Amino acid sequence: GQQLNQSPQSMFIQEGEDVSMNCTSSSIFNTWLWYKQDPGEGPVLLIALYKAGELTSNGRLTAQFGITRKDSFLNISASIPSDVGIYFCAGYLGRAQKLVFGQGTRLTINP
Amino acid sequence: KAGVTQTPRYLIKTRGQQVTLSCSPISGHRSVSWYQQTPGQGLQFLFEYFSETQRNKGNFPGRFSGRQFSNSRSEMNVSTLELGDSALYLCASSADRGRIHIEAFFGQGTRLTVV
Repeated sequence: GQQLNQSPQSMFIQEGEDVSMNCTSSSIFNTWLWYKQDPGEGPVLLIALYKAGELTSNGRLTAQFGITRKDSFLNISASIPSDVGIYFCAGYLGRAQKLVFGQGTRLTINP
Repeated sequence: KAGVTQTPRYLIKTRGQQVTLSCSPISGHRSVSWYQQTPGQGLQFLFEYFSETQRNKGNFPGRFSGRQFSNSRSEMNVSTLELGDSALYLCASSADRGRIHIEAFFGQGTRLTVV
């Protein structure tokens, strides 16, 4: 079945550092979504991407929809303690009308 | 606009019992999806309902079932609970514009503990 490979699985960084994570697949997606989940809560939508090559920012977050439509990345600049959490990518398969999630990247920040 | 509401937030059940979880989507959203999340397992897709019909289904046993009502509210039911069913159950709603982009918004989840 369709699968999203999200990497890295976990990151341990210092406060103030930049962060980069990505998702790749063998399938072509119509939409890419990035979510952040805090412990015990539901994921919150951060950024939505709709077109190949699209680059979108939300504050210190920037995400891009890969040209091949098979990948996407998320960058966080100048990380702060509240960035801690699990980040999920999700791709939408239009033909199957199905949203597929990556396994998540757990971000830990050392003050 | 109110977000996705899941009830209850926490639940403790005994092995062998059954449980029903509820999800009220964002007003106007007709698609509701359910996910199971266990530590280290990511989001496992259970099923999706659209206009009262199950549109997609994940790889879960028949003990897991769901339904959607005419007002788009959805319930999921787990029968004959097992210890391994302990998890955070998440519901997500979306406006669903067909093949065009789809943004799913999650509720806070129901934490189910089976003892």
